[in-house]
Amino acid sequence: AQRVTQPEKLLSVFKGAPVELKCNYSYSGSPELFWYVQYSRQRLQLLLRHISRESIKGFTADLNKGETSFHLKKPFAQEEDSAMYYCALSGSFSFGNEKLTFGTGTRLTIIP
Amino acid sequence: ETGVTQSPTHLIKTRGQQVTLRCSSQSGHNTVSWYQQALGQGPQFIFQYYREEENGRGNFPPRFSGLQFPNYSSELNVNALELDDSALYLCASSLVRVPGELFFGEGSRLTVL
Repeated sequence: AQRVTQPEKLLSVFKGAPVELKCNYSYSGSPELFWYVQYSRQRLQLLLRHISRESIKGFTADLNKGETSFHLKKPFAQEEDSAMYYCALSGSFSFGNEKLTFGTGTRLTIIP
Repeated sequence: ETGVTQSPTHLIKTRGQQVTLRCSSQSGHNTVSWYQQALGQGPQFIFQYYREEENGRGNFPPRFSGLQFPNYSSELNVNALELDDSALYLCASSLVRVPGELFFGEGSRLTVL
């Protein structure tokens, strides 16, 4: 079974401080992991995926298979980072078949 | 490029009724997925359609059913509504060759009384 755990429902960080949103997963195979973000009054959208090893809006996330974690990090928080963040796991990439399992989300608030 | 659109945005039904929710995929996308998001929870996978056939299903009973049409638009049907079906229903379209990148609509909020 696939499971994603985001232990923090709420996280408040001062502007300019580092941000770390925690995500742990449970999956017996080789997972593909993603971070999705929902800004106020906007739809849910992909922020980044681990396979791309990319940095988006200053955010990075490293897959740690030993700790089964995929924490999202940013060295210096900005006010526009305030949003709801969801970690998601996909365990199936057979052709045309994918299912994302989402965590319960963390609401990040950046304090000016 | 047109994004994913869903209708209706809000609706209220009573227990035992049936509901149909509609989704138009983003232009060029051939796969559509439906998710249920209860209050305070993350989206939960209901099912996915590819080339008009169900191509994966989550842990939802058969009274949740769907269709995908030749133009890749989709419907989610829920029969015999229960109070616990109250939730935001999200449609997401994607391209098979870009796994994990879902484009979500704004959702249909269903309230069952």
